[in-house]
Parts: sequence; C-alpha cells; structure tokens
Amino acid sequence: DAGITQSPRHKVTETGTPVTLRCHQTENHRYMYWYRQDPGHGLRLIHYSYGVKDTDKGEVSDGYSVSRSKTEDFLLTLESATSSQTSVYFCAISLDGEQYFGPGTRLTVT
Amino acid sequence: AQSVTQLGSHVSVSEGALVLLRCNYSSSVPPYLFWYVQYPNQGLQLLLKYTSAATLVKGINGFEAEFKKSETSFHLTKPSAHMSDAAEYFCASGDSGAGSYQLTFGKGTKLSVIP
Repeated sequence: DAGITQSPRHKVTETGTPVTLRCHQTENHRYMYWYRQDPGHGLRLIHYSYGVKDTDKGEVSDGYSVSRSKTEDFLLTLESATSSQTSVYFCAISLDGEQYFGPGTRLTVT
Repeated sequence: AQSVTQLGSHVSVSEGALVLLRCNYSSSVPPYLFWYVQYPNQGLQLLLKYTSAATLVKGINGFEAEFKKSETSFHLTKPSAHMSDAAEYFCASGDSGAGSYQLTFGKGTKLSVIP
C-alpha cells in the first residue's frame, strides 16, 4: 500500500465548469503522476511532478493544469471541463522506478 | 519515443489452461518493463517488473514474463488460469535513463477465464 488517496472518487459536472481532482500521498514520494484511462487507449500521462512546484507536461496535457504546493498533494485542474474529458483519472507515485496507483476518480462531464 | 504494443485487446482461456498475454516494446535503450493488472473498478496493481537482472521474471499470483531482446518482447504467462485471473492486464515500458521514471503503457488486454 503506497498510501495514495484520491478525491473525489466520483464526480459529475457540466460542460464549462472548473473541476479539481486531488491526489494525496502519505509517504513523501518525490515523483507523482496524473493519468487518464479510456477504453482502447490504456493509460495516458497528463502531467507529472518531480517535486514541490516542479511539474511537466505529459502526452495529453491540453485542457489540464496541475499544481503541487506540498509534497503530499498533487492537484489536477480542468479549467473548463469538456465532454471529451469524461474519463477515469488515476494518480500514481514512483518508488524505485516502480509506479503505484491510487484508486481512481471517475469523472463524467455532461 | 517509446511505444508498447499489446497483441489482442481481449483473450479468453479456459480455467486450468495456459495464459499467454503478448507485449512488444520499442526502445532505443534497454528499458524497464512492467506488467500491471487491473480488476474491475480498481486501480492498477504491479504484477512484475524487468530491470535487466534476469530475463525470466517471476511475479505475484503465479505469473511470470520473459524478456527477449531479439524479439523485443516481454510476454506474460501463467501455466494454469484461475477464475480470479479475469482482469485487464497492461504492459508498460520505462526508460532506464530517464530521471522522471515515466512509463509508456500499452492499450491493455482483457483476460476472460471460462469455467
């Protein structure tokens, strides 16, 4: 158990509204990641962080921003949600090159 | 850029039969390779990983995978399928030279086990 929690676990929101998803870890890991999972696409990296205030873009970063003001929290924000952002979002941490995943957040944009 | 290809989006096997899930990678440098399993409505769980120490890697739940550089493959096997193995399996590749430990995932293979 890598001590990763995600909140909320489920969210339904309307197109055009801002949404923030939170990933929280309890073990002081340096690297944190946000992925989205869609049928037929596997997991795709949105953004990642390599320390407080240090973040970088992944493969599918358009429409998303992130922030990491504390080691334990990595926030993913959809500034103006669109239906194409309906997905399951997973947070992960890296430990010795292995990634460990949170339980996921199912986001539906109507 | 790395890429991972999983052959077969859906594989069905009978209970007790051999499980073989295929994964091919492309990488210009020796990769780290991983297999993850995802049960319905859950996150991904690490099954096993290859980091060049040994070409045959044993993981949890009786699974193992063999790294074959000549074939750029890292196929996952289990001698005898159990009903509890029904899940989706993801192969992933990481660049051993990258400091960010980013992983590239395949699209997944859903395993069904027929009683």
